[in-house]
Amino acid sequence: GAGVSQSPSNKVTEKGKDVELRCDPISGHTALYWYRQSLGQGLEFLIYFQGNSAPDKSGLPSDRFSAERTGGSVSTLTIQRTQQEDSAVYLCASSLDAKTLGRYGYTFGSGTRLTVV
Amino acid sequence: DQQVKQNSPSLSVQEGRISILNCDYTNSMFDYFLWYKKYPAEGPTFLISISSIKDKNEDGRFTVFLNKSAKHLSLHIVPSQPGDSAVYFCAASEAGNTGKLIFGQGTTLQVKP
Repeated sequence: GAGVSQSPSNKVTEKGKDVELRCDPISGHTALYWYRQSLGQGLEFLIYFQGNSAPDKSGLPSDRFSAERTGGSVSTLTIQRTQQEDSAVYLCASSLDAKTLGRYGYTFGSGTRLTVV
Repeated sequence: DQQVKQNSPSLSVQEGRISILNCDYTNSMFDYFLWYKKYPAEGPTFLISISSIKDKNEDGRFTVFLNKSAKHLSLHIVPSQPGDSAVYFCAASEAGNTGKLIFGQGTTLQVKP
C-alpha cells in the first residue's frame, strides 16, 4: 500500500481482556517496528522485525506483550490480560531496511489508540 | 536511562519568528539524528536528518544543527508558520545498525498567528 496501515484506529477494552492490533507495512519494506506513546510520554520502542532475522524484543514491557510478523509483511501485536497502564497509542512503522534508517527514518502509521477501562 | 532528551515540553512563538527546538543525547555512538513532526491523531512524519559527521543540514525553512562536543542538536524553523504547530520529536540511531531509533519525549510547538 501507499502508507503504513494500522487497525483498529481506536480500541476500548475491559481490563483483563486480550487485544490484537494489526499493522500492514509499506510494500517492500523489510523492517517493521512497534512503538507506543503513553499520555505525556515520548515514543517507547517495543519490538522490531528485520527480514527473516529473529525479532528484537528488548522493548516489550512484560510477557503479556507479544508480536508476530507473518510472511514478512503484516504484523500483529497482542496484549494479553490488559491492564489500565497499557492504555496508550500504539504506533507501527516500517522502513526499507535498517541500513537506510539514519538517513530516511521510518514511515509511521496513524496508530491505534488503546483504552483499557 | 534516557539517551535522548528534550527538556522543554512546550514552546510558543509568534508567526514569522524563529522556532528553536532543542535535544540532548548521551550516547556518543549515535551516527544519525532525526527530527519528526506529529499532529494529533496522526503518526509522526519524518522532517530532516543529520549525520554525525556534519554540523548542519538545511531543508527549506528547517535547519538542524549538531554540536557533537556538547552532545546537543537543535532544529530551527524560520519563519515559523501556524501550520508548524505540532509535537516535534528528536531521534537518534546507533552506529552498527542496531536497527531502531531512540526518541526523545517530544516538544509541543505552538505558533501563534
